[in-house]
Amino acid sequence: QSVLTQPPSVSGAPGQRVTISCSGSSSNIGTGYDVHWYQQLPGAAPRLLIYLTNNRPSGVPDRFSGSKSGTSASLVIAGLQVEDEGDYYCQSSDIRLSDPCVFGTGTKVTVL
Amino acid sequence: QVQLQESGPGLVKPSETLSLTCNVSGASIRSGSYYWNWIRQPAGKDLEWIGRIYSSGSTKYNPSLNSRIIISIDTSKNQFSLRLSSVTAADTAIYYCARLVVGPSPFFDYWGQGALVTVSS
Repeated sequence: QSVLTQPPSVSGAPGQRVTISCSGSSSNIGTGYDVHWYQQLPGAAPRLLIYLTNNRPSGVPDRFSGSKSGTSASLVIAGLQVEDEGDYYCQSSDIRLSDPCVFGTGTKVTVL
Repeated sequence: QVQLQESGPGLVKPSETLSLTCNVSGASIRSGSYYWNWIRQPAGKDLEWIGRIYSSGSTKYNPSLNSRIIISIDTSKNQFSLRLSSVTAADTAIYYCARLVVGPSPFFDYWGQGALVTVSS
């Protein structure tokens, strides 16, 4: 069971703004660790979408943005597009675990 | 451009050993800035970190799989490998290799396309 909790699904119409939350605790996000986000399109491998909370790798559209506050983080897709449909995972570190890389429970984004 | 490519048998019998290799191109596996990882994903399920290896050969494994895992590295071939012993149907998954950027908050910047491994007799 992951220490990072995401909503199982979010949906929106094309052009809408959607937000995916990643809820952690004082031993991970709340202790200052950055959060990273991955996009997994159907049938594809995950790809890095946001790193170090709010940085986009080259090639990632600027409609994707990240932030964090307290023990939670968020991924915003501003201007949802059909090709954004897929699964999204947050990832961070946790001081209580021997594995410093923990993934969130994943969120399926559906474009209506 | 950095690329990772998994290879290995797609079918493994129960109780046998799963073996996969990840070939890295476009980057040196000797670099001290990265860890080299295995991650898996059963069909319709979430990502599970399996383990990682550093260029020095030091390893760290998921405690839930620790007794069955060996990850090794071959710097001369720029590749690293996974061996998972005593497999069961629960080990059926897509196996990804991925590069982890070293730092206070490490993250995976490059992933392989994944290799489907089915455990069945």
